Amino acid sequence: GAGVSQSPRYKVAKRGQDVALRCDPISGHVSLFWYQQALGQGPEFLTYFQNEAQLDKSGLPSDRFFAERPEGSVSTLKIQRTQQEDSAVYLCASARGPFEEKLFFGSGTQLSVL
Amino acid sequence: SQKIEQNSEALNIQEGKTATLTCNYTNYSPAYLQWYRQDPGRGPVFLLLIRENEKEKRKERLKVTFDTTLKQSLFHITASQPADSATYLCALKRSYNTDKLIFGTGTRLQVFP
Repeated sequence: GAGVSQSPRYKVAKRGQDVALRCDPISGHVSLFWYQQALGQGPEFLTYFQNEAQLDKSGLPSDRFFAERPEGSVSTLKIQRTQQEDSAVYLCASARGPFEEKLFFGSGTQLSVL
Repeated sequence: SQKIEQNSEALNIQEGKTATLTCNYTNYSPAYLQWYRQDPGRGPVFLLLIRENEKEKRKERLKVTFDTTLKQSLFHITASQPADSATYLCALKRSYNTDKLIFGTGTRLQVFP
């Protein structure tokens, strides 16, 4: 596609509910990143994929967070048993290759946990 | 701990003036530094990259400097316009084969007509 696409654009969840956030990267992009952005803050790294391999998940805040990219294109970030502190914008970014310097970001999914 | 600091207070300037934003970092020896623009409700958009062995980079009205001794980058927008109003983020990559880009907190720029 023309850019990185994320869905849903907005998600409201009750505390304890599971959510799944989707990212469609730019076609052919090898690298895919998930970032979490709290209000008024910069994006914080969550996890990184090179094709279908999850090479770095050091930023995932707890074992309630899980990401996958089974066919090396679309990725899903899943949050189980959501908590209020999970409320944030979740940004997905892709890049052409593993050492490609420029990231292309989607518009994000704004998650609100009530 | 590793830190990237940007002015948390908004920068307000008049149209036509030069805006200067600061990015300071500690405990890093970055391979390169990037600047991104972020508009409300949108993801960051790449603007410029400057490498550790470069002092200055320009693109149209934008200029970035990189001082590895001071551990600081300055981002300049000359002849600023109201359309330049946005949040500007700096980001570092620690090495060329390190996967993740680490972002600062961002500085909000407001350009008044």
